[in-house]
Amino acid sequence: EAQVTQNPRYLITVTGKKLTVTCSQNMNHEYMSWYRQDPGLGLRQIYYSMNVEVTDKGDVPEGYKVSRKEKRNFPLILESPSPNQTSLYFCASSRTGSGNTIYFGEGSWLTVV
Amino acid sequence: AQSVAQPEDQVNVAEGNPLTVKCTYSVSGNPYLFWYVQYPNRGLQFLLKYITGDNLVKGSYGFEAEFNKSQTSFHLKKPSALVSDSALYFCAVRATSGAGSYQLTFGKGTKLSVIP
Repeated sequence: EAQVTQNPRYLITVTGKKLTVTCSQNMNHEYMSWYRQDPGLGLRQIYYSMNVEVTDKGDVPEGYKVSRKEKRNFPLILESPSPNQTSLYFCASSRTGSGNTIYFGEGSWLTVV
Repeated sequence: AQSVAQPEDQVNVAEGNPLTVKCTYSVSGNPYLFWYVQYPNRGLQFLLKYITGDNLVKGSYGFEAEFNKSQTSFHLKKPSALVSDSALYFCAVRATSGAGSYQLTFGKGTKLSVIP
């Protein structure tokens, strides 16, 4: 089954404790991206990657890091989480070409206390 | 910069009545337009997209959307609403070329409630 898989789905952590949200897709997609969803703000892009070793900032990259060492994986790293990073996070992927449909994971609820 | 406006935070419609969820966009050049739906505690599911060609696009679950270039709109419609259509709906735009083509820009979402 074609899918984008994120882990963990739910996490409560403390301020300053580094964490990684993993993302994996099995569709051999070149393009991958991370979004955060906040009430009243919709989804905002954090980072995206056009292919292995190619990443770039989206609209809200502050406080986040990403890496793309393998085509299927695109982890999101919070080096020192803060409460304003409490959000619902989505990983997404698609084939190259802006007309291609972007497929989303089920989301990761992150709470930073 | 590209943007999407969904002017209604919430739309209420009676079951069996037609529904419309509004969306307008701004983008440099030609757009690719998408609708996604989010059910409670779930991810985003793709409904339909406009790439080129016929302005009326048909998608999943009986939904359709009409691309109107002059009004820069892409409203989502369904002839007869079901209670199970109650969800959060997002419109999104992506440029066909340039920097905006790397990003899918979303509206803030419209909550659809279908009343039995």
